[in-house]
Amino acid sequence: QVQLVQSGTEVKKPGASVKVSCQASGYTFTNYGIYWVRQAPGQGLELMGWISAYNDHTNYVQTLQGRVTMTTDASTDTAYLELRSLKSDDTAVYYCARGGVRRGSCSGGRCRVLADYWGQGALVTVSS
Amino acid sequence: QSVLTQPPSVSAAPGQTVTISCSGSSSDIGSNYVSWYQQFPGTAPKLLIYDNDKRPSGIPDRFSGSKSGTSATLGITGLQTGDEADYYCGTWDSSLSGGVFGGGTKLSVL
Repeated sequence: QVQLVQSGTEVKKPGASVKVSCQASGYTFTNYGIYWVRQAPGQGLELMGWISAYNDHTNYVQTLQGRVTMTTDASTDTAYLELRSLKSDDTAVYYCARGGVRRGSCSGGRCRVLADYWGQGALVTVSS
Repeated sequence: QSVLTQPPSVSAAPGQTVTISCSGSSSDIGSNYVSWYQQFPGTAPKLLIYDNDKRPSGIPDRFSGSKSGTSATLGITGLQTGDEADYYCGTWDSSLSGGVFGGGTKLSVL
């Protein structure tokens, strides 16, 4: 069965960096991509971006450009999210989710966000 | 503020039918596929509907999706207390070249 298992809780100071991992199992890792989604306390879902596990192509939300890096390691079927220059409003639960292997998962001229399996989430708290 | 607009909350009695709307524009819902997610407090979201109206394996047919123009709708029939959760729509935004979610709707089954 498809599983995404994420790393644990992190507490960081403002200005620091955090790296969250997401280890996949139960499917061929390089046939899909990974979305990273975060949820601040009491708030909705924010799609941070996507990475293809096939060719490492990425697509980041504009508001995080320059602070975020998504990578994968096919030898361990693991995806990573690094967020730098942390601020208090980066405090959130960070989720990984399986997505399509190509940006936008487009077909017939229409694209989609299809996150069919999710990790359990990793709480990142940014506080001085 | 989300690109996609959802009502903050909806409510209905057990056994009734409820709909949750998701409003967008020509560059997102109007030209792409919509998906819907269910999230219980303290847990990860779960895919309910994809490609506007398709249900993944294991999702009951009480859940349905539709799309018309720049809006999409999630329908739930035969409401159960166990359906109390937050529901999110998602789609691709062609002008942003990225995915987006709605702000979420809290369903209460009274």
